[in-house]
Amino acid sequence: DGGITQSPKYLFRKEGQNVTLSCEQNLNHDAMYWYRQDPGQGLRLIYYSQIVNDFQKGDIAEGYSVSREKKESFPLTVTSAQKNPTAFYLCASSIPGQSNEKLFFGSGTQLSVL
Amino acid sequence: DAKTTQPPSMDCAEGRAANLPCNHSTISGNEYVYWYRQIHSQGPQYIIHGLKNNETNEMASLIITEDRKSSTLILPHATLRDTAVYYCIVSKRGEKLTFGTGTRLTIIP
Repeated sequence: DGGITQSPKYLFRKEGQNVTLSCEQNLNHDAMYWYRQDPGQGLRLIYYSQIVNDFQKGDIAEGYSVSREKKESFPLTVTSAQKNPTAFYLCASSIPGQSNEKLFFGSGTQLSVL
Repeated sequence: DAKTTQPPSMDCAEGRAANLPCNHSTISGNEYVYWYRQIHSQGPQYIIHGLKNNETNEMASLIITEDRKSSTLILPHATLRDTAVYYCIVSKRGEKLTFGTGTRLTIIP
């Protein structure tokens, strides 16, 4: 089955701690994205990557970091600098530049602060 | 700047057609209309997209007005599993998509 796998489903962070959210895809997509969703709100873009070893900041990148060492993987680190990290985090991938481009999403990770 | 305007919520009876409106009066000529939906606590799911012609697939139909300033997503026979938040997004091909707050559609048994 092709798809996007996010892990863990639920994650808890202590004050001052960095945590890393995993995102793996086997769709052979070049582009990958991280979104944050707060209750009752839309999705806000954190970071995106169009190709391996390259990534760009989205609208709310402060307090987050990413890496893209492999095409299949795009982990997101929530650093201690992110003062309000509690949210639902969604990873997505797509084939950039195609006329019927669409995003494929993972099932999300709920991050909470202890 | 919000590119689209959608009602915050709608109800529809099970088995009836659900018609979800979207206004995008500032859409430019090379921007597409995309529709996604998000079932509670899951990632959004692509439904359909179009440029200027009406489109239909196995999930829904998309009707775009001739002036392209508004569109309607039609779910022909709504079921309880169609209860979700529906997002209407306007974007150029290849650009990253921006999700607003969408329309919360509730299917009533």
